[in-house]
Amino acid sequence: QVLLQESGPGLVKPSETLSLTCTVSGDSISSDYWSWIRQPPGKGLEWIGYIFYSGSTNYHPSLRSRVVISVDRPNNQFFLKLRSVTAADTAVYYCARGAVTSTSGYFYYYVHVWGKGTTVTVSS
Amino acid sequence: SYELTQPPSVSVSPGQTATITCSGDKLGGKYPSWYQQKPGQSPMLVIYQNSERPSGIPERFSGSNSGNTATLTISGTQAMDEADYYCQAWDSSTAWFGGGTKLTVL
Repeated sequence: QVLLQESGPGLVKPSETLSLTCTVSGDSISSDYWSWIRQPPGKGLEWIGYIFYSGSTNYHPSLRSRVVISVDRPNNQFFLKLRSVTAADTAVYYCARGAVTSTSGYFYYYVHVWGKGTTVTVSS
Repeated sequence: SYELTQPPSVSVSPGQTATITCSGDKLGGKYPSWYQQKPGQSPMLVIYQNSERPSGIPERFSGSNSGNTATLTISGTQAMDEADYYCQAWDSSTAWFGGGTKLTVL
């Protein structure tokens, strides 16, 4: 059974960079799409992006200019960096395992394993 | 940008059928997924590829999709099904979530 665990600072100052690590256990990062998703307090889910095990990435257009997702395959970890944060970036951040499948020529993505989430507050 | 619209809340009596809708442009061709999130927990996949159930998801959860609307149906709703439900679709290489529906079982 694959498990994902987020780690990183719970408090980040405005304008600084939010950095999180996701450690994967129970399987290797050798397939699938390793993702970050966030949820502001009392609000819905927002996809941040993913990294394929080969290193290719895809980001939400609204965050693309500030976000980098990277992977360390030997250590079975992947990372999120979000720069120039503001209070609007306060959220529970989930790391997750996604899949991309195609049917009738249409590619689609879904998340089949979620971490427990970590709360990040942006405040001075 | 791609928008998915869900009703904010749905109520159902125990044992009855709950229906949660998700609307989006040409959603019928985008194979949406559904996630259940209980308070204080991370989301959990309950339906993918329109109507497929992951291993361990009870048969009372089913999905359908046509036109611009996808539907999550919970037959014989139980108290344990009370949760927030989110639909999700893939469009323009981006994952989009609906705003979520709070299902109340009363």
